[in-house]
Formats: sequence, C-alpha cells, structure tokens
Amino acid sequence: DIQMTQSPSSLSASVGDRVTITCRASQGISNFLAWYQEKPGKVPKLLIYAAYILQSGVPSRFGGSGSGTEFTLTISSLQPEDIATYYCQKYDTPPFTFGPGTRVDIK
Amino acid sequence: EVQLVESGGGLVQPGGSLRLSCAASGFTFSSHWMQWVRHSPGRGLLWVSRINAEASSTHYADSVKGRFTISRDNAKNTLFLQMNSLRAEDTAVYYCSRGGSYSDYWGQGTLVTVSS
Repeated sequence: DIQMTQSPSSLSASVGDRVTITCRASQGISNFLAWYQEKPGKVPKLLIYAAYILQSGVPSRFGGSGSGTEFTLTISSLQPEDIATYYCQKYDTPPFTFGPGTRVDIK
Repeated sequence: EVQLVESGGGLVQPGGSLRLSCAASGFTFSSHWMQWVRHSPGRGLLWVSRINAEASSTHYADSVKGRFTISRDNAKNTLFLQMNSLRAEDTAVYYCSRGGSYSDYWGQGTLVTVSS
C-alpha cells in the first residue's frame, strides 16, 4: 500500500506568517489528494481536493499544489482561527490513507 | 442542509461486537458513496471503509478487513458499520462521511471504547 508522510509534524508561527505543509506519497497518486483541517474537539473539515481545488466556503488564504508524489498546503497569512491539525489524504485507489498530521500553533 | 448523525458507540470488551448507524438527511442519500473514518488519540485519522450508492461495492482498510462490514439501507437513509472481534486498537471516534473518495461532509462522530 502507498504510505503518506507529512512534514513538519508540528509548527509554530506568528499571525500573518506564510505557512507551508508538505505531504509526500510513497508512490505517484496523480492529483488524487485532499487536505483536511481538524480543530480541537471539532469534526474534520475538507479544505482542498484534487490537490488544488478549494472546497466551497474555505477562505482563499488556503491553497494547495503538487502532483505525483509531493504536495503542499499553504496558508498565505496565518490567522488565530487556523490553529488546528492538518491532514492530507490520498484517494486514488483504496485504502484512502491519511498522512500523520501537522499541528499548527500560534507563536 | 446535509446532516449525518452517528449512533451506536459505547464500551465493549475485547472480542465483542458493536453496530454503528449513521442517519443521513439533507441530500439524496441513495445517489452517494458513503464512508467510515475513525480518529484515535495519538494515531490520527484512519480511513476504515466505503460503500457505493447501490451497496454493490465495498472496500476496507487492511486492519479491519474480515472483522468489519459496511452496509446501507437506502429506503431509510441509513449507513451501518458492523464491527466484530473488536480489539483495544479499534478504540476511536468513528465518523460517517459522504463521498467515495474524499469526504465533503462529516457527522459528529460516535465514540467506541474497547476495554475490559
């Protein structure tokens, strides 16, 4: 099965900073990659699918890029409400494995 | 408004069984793939299973294959997960979600605790 990794595992940044999270697949998955945000005590929320398409209602400061084996989630200007753990998920073929998550805090 | 409401979680002993349900509303349930995803503390999110709209195709994570069964009742707009031979490592919040690839809507989750 394809394995998913994320880096860093956690980060701390200031409000207004640009934040980048990387997700890597052990084999190519084309653009079958989604990103989710999970706030403490809340339900996971879909942010991006097809590697770069923003889900309806998601702020435009979130962006995704990449294809094949390397993908990036970018928050262009970090806001206090962005404190969460972010997960990537591959969905080319089952199993639809999630990455281990990246925890984002405010410095 | 899309709503997914899970039920059926609880405390069960290792080797026991539970059946989770997910009541769907606000969309045409019978037209959508559905999935189960779980979240374990310290382990993050794990994709568990998916079922197509007609209930003719199912897929499972290797860790639950042969023990869990996903099913649905389109007449009652309800998704199910039958969990047998439960293990301590199955302890998690179980979410039902809409979609056959990524999940665009999620329920609030139901907690399953496997412990003696």
